[in-house]
Amino acid sequence: DTEVTQTPKHLVMGMTNKKSLKCEQHMGHRAMYWYKQKAKKPPELMFVYSYEKLSINESVPSRFSPECPNSSLLNLHLHALQPEDSALYLCASSYKSGTPTEAFFGQGTRLTVV
Amino acid sequence: DAKTTQPPSMDCAEGRAANLPCNHSTISGNEYVYWYRQIHSQGPQYIIHGLKNNETNEMASLIITEDRKSSTLILPHATLRDTAVYYCIAWTGTASKLTFGTGTRLQVTL
Repeated sequence: DTEVTQTPKHLVMGMTNKKSLKCEQHMGHRAMYWYKQKAKKPPELMFVYSYEKLSINESVPSRFSPECPNSSLLNLHLHALQPEDSALYLCASSYKSGTPTEAFFGQGTRLTVV
Repeated sequence: DAKTTQPPSMDCAEGRAANLPCNHSTISGNEYVYWYRQIHSQGPQYIIHGLKNNETNEMASLIITEDRKSSTLILPHATLRDTAVYYCIAWTGTASKLTFGTGTRLQVTL
């Protein structure tokens, strides 16, 4: 299984809602990543987890709250978002150590904030 | 994490080789050159990576200059399905910043 699975594929939420994005992999990867991608722009790194601990936070607003409950699962909790947070949210995973291999990306969650 | 520079767009005729250049003059000794592509609204897809030797797989070839300051991705026989944004990334391959630059939009035409 060489897949990173993201759910849901599409999400529409109001500015007062709380929602969560989910990312799952079963490749034994111990590094996981969240990205945000606006239309016609490259993916922007948000968070990096290493062995279930947050290792990099790219100064992301606190209305985005990541969580890594176990080595296979990564969540992104959303609260009080703004319309400008509408974007494609991508998850990725990779090995943390050893001979570098590739990072695998999910197909993303298309988020619309209304 | 080294920055990379790529031309914003390129065209290629179907069946011809597509050669996509990338400059990474500040790459560190422990950073590999990775290439990904992204077809409209899908997740980025891994293509190939290398440290200093040229690499080839079923998708593409990667040529890295001896000083490692630049590289070229070669798609030997481009097809319409290769139309995508191609990203060149300098990355250690571990839990560090995997940072995308602006990429090259490759348009393959008949």
